[in-house]
Amino acid sequence: GAGVSQTPSNKVTEKGKYVELRCDPISGHTALYWYRQSLGQGPEFLIYFQGTGAADDSGLPNDRFFAVRPEGSVSTLKIQRTERGDSAVYLCASSLGWGNTEAFFGQGTRLTVV
Amino acid sequence: KQEVTQIPAALSVPEGENLVLNCSFTDSAIYNLQWFRQDPGKGLTSLLLIQSSQREQTSGRLNASLDKSSGRSTLYIAASQPGDSATYLCAVRGNTPLVFGKGTRLSVIA
Repeated sequence: GAGVSQTPSNKVTEKGKYVELRCDPISGHTALYWYRQSLGQGPEFLIYFQGTGAADDSGLPNDRFFAVRPEGSVSTLKIQRTERGDSAVYLCASSLGWGNTEAFFGQGTRLTVV
Repeated sequence: KQEVTQIPAALSVPEGENLVLNCSFTDSAIYNLQWFRQDPGKGLTSLLLIQSSQREQTSGRLNASLDKSSGRSTLYIAASQPGDSATYLCAVRGNTPLVFGKGTRLSVIA
């Protein structure tokens, strides 16, 4: 596609529920990143994929968070047993590869846990 | 651990002024530095990418400089317009994915 696409744009869920957030990267981009942004803060790194594998998942806050990219394109961020503290904007980005390449971000998914 | 700081946190200027946004980072071993713009409730729009071997990049009224050895970058905006009002984020890529500052919130008053 023309840009990074994230769905849904907004998600409201009840505490304790499971949610999935989807990211469609730019076609041909092998690197995909998930970030989380709280109000008034810069984005914080969660996980990075190179192809199908998670090359770096050091930013995932705990084991309730998991992400997959089974075919090396679309990625899904999964959050189990959601907590009110998980409320944030979840941003996805993609780039041609690692290193000296420009990252392009989607519009984000605003997650609200009530 | 890489840390990125942006000063000032907020800035308000009258239309037409030239302005400078500052970004500093603690680890100079970077591949590149990227400046982004974020409008309220929106995602990030890439403005400029500076490779570690470069000193500056220009796009229209925007000019970004990089002094890797001192861990500093500046974003210069010429002849500011109300449409430039947004949050500007600086991010560096080293051996980790992009590390962001908290941003500078810019308001350009007509």
